[in-house]
Amino acid sequence: ETGVTQTPRHLVMGMTNKKSLKCEQHLGHNAMYWYKQSAKKPLELMFVYNFKEQTENNSVPSRFSPECPNSSHLFLHLHTLQPEDSALYLCASSQVYGMGTDTQYFGPGTRLTVL
Amino acid sequence: AQKITQTQPGMFVQEKEAVTLDCTYDTSDPSYGLFWYKQPSSGEMIFLIYQGSYDQQNATEGRYSLNFQKARKSANLVISASQLGDSAMYFCAMRDPDNYGQNFVFGPGTRLSVLP
Repeated sequence: ETGVTQTPRHLVMGMTNKKSLKCEQHLGHNAMYWYKQSAKKPLELMFVYNFKEQTENNSVPSRFSPECPNSSHLFLHLHTLQPEDSALYLCASSQVYGMGTDTQYFGPGTRLTVL
Repeated sequence: AQKITQTQPGMFVQEKEAVTLDCTYDTSDPSYGLFWYKQPSSGEMIFLIYQGSYDQQNATEGRYSLNFQKARKSANLVISASQLGDSAMYFCAMRDPDNYGQNFVFGPGTRLSVLP
């Protein structure tokens, strides 16, 4: 069962391009998350959506723009990125944001390379 | 201040042997949750096991068990009967109590290599 899917799995883009990452969860969850995983750095939380409402934006540059049209879908729109934005972008979902036992389930990630 | 510490950047274990991956955490909040995830080279973070701070018993899930020592603030993952497919990065995570337990804080990870 693929509970959380992400497309594309790999993306190469130039600094002037505009692209979008897509995440879909099939678990009936209400919260969705974007994380950035760079080499040799801990996982960084970027955005949190709870019942389609954005609840967290951890000082992420405006060149990253999230969108959550419904509880099952989450997008990350990218524009004028920098080479240091190259990383693995992971999407996750959980049943209820903020509950103590709530477990996050992750997708396979999108490996982004910015040239 | 780093809230999750994993002191073993890399570990090796012989197939079929048990291995312990260390995790220590820092919080003054009495209520928190601890999680372990596995990340194979494919990239997906796979949830393994959860331990609540008030749980009376150590968590177990198949070959995974958690050695939870609350006074020492440690939550070590024990993998029994290692398999070649266990080779991966392993991350310890905690619900960040300083943010009302709403966000996860991840450790730097331990890379486990299982030798045939």
